[in-house]
Amino acid sequence: DTGVSQDPRHKITKRGQNVTFRCDPISEHNRLYWYRQTLGQGPEFLTYFQNEAQLEKSRLLSDRFSAERPKGSFSTLEIQRTEQGDSAMYLCASSPPSGRNTGELFFGEGSRLTVL
Amino acid sequence: AQSVTQLDSQVPVFEEAPVELRCNYSSSVSVYLFWYVQYPNQGLQLLLKYLSGSTLVESINGFEAEFNKSQTSFHLRKPSVHISDTAEYFCAVSDMNSGYSTLTFGKGTMLLVSP
Repeated sequence: DTGVSQDPRHKITKRGQNVTFRCDPISEHNRLYWYRQTLGQGPEFLTYFQNEAQLEKSRLLSDRFSAERPKGSFSTLEIQRTEQGDSAMYLCASSPPSGRNTGELFFGEGSRLTVL
Repeated sequence: AQSVTQLDSQVPVFEEAPVELRCNYSSSVSVYLFWYVQYPNQGLQLLLKYLSGSTLVESINGFEAEFNKSQTSFHLRKPSVHISDTAEYFCAVSDMNSGYSTLTFGKGTMLLVSP
């Protein structure tokens, strides 16, 4: 069990640049979530995938944000034209297929974005 | 919609002392309740959860939490803390009727255990 893997762990970029984060979930997990965590706040939900389908997007996910999970395995989160307010830790989590919501998510260590 | 309030951003305590981390929630629907822990330089991990049944739930490392529906609370307690319990603790809820786990988190409480 390799756990949820996120890459890169740290990214420093200049305002206006595009950045992309990758998440590899636990292999048998078909559910994948992206969260954002800013300093002093708890994680905030961004989006949810079940297999390759993006089933829910938070209003926090502006037009500059896009997430994909093309083959139902790894996922990418792209931020276009980054702004200083995008500086945060971006967390990916996964959970196994289940007919019942049990709430346990398995989190990666996160990708920290700093926008200068 | 749900919201979670963790009133204490930081709780300093001496080793072997008892501790309580407070969590209150607000929701228009029935919810499941969780405590997640984040140790330094690690990802979030589930500590314990309440889905149904006994309102007192326990973790393997001595923490317990009690669901109080009338007070909409899910406080986390440990009778005697260790240095290794130093971490950030997040309370979270999810809609019981949702087919998946869109968790709503509190802002977190940093537990600082000193010798």
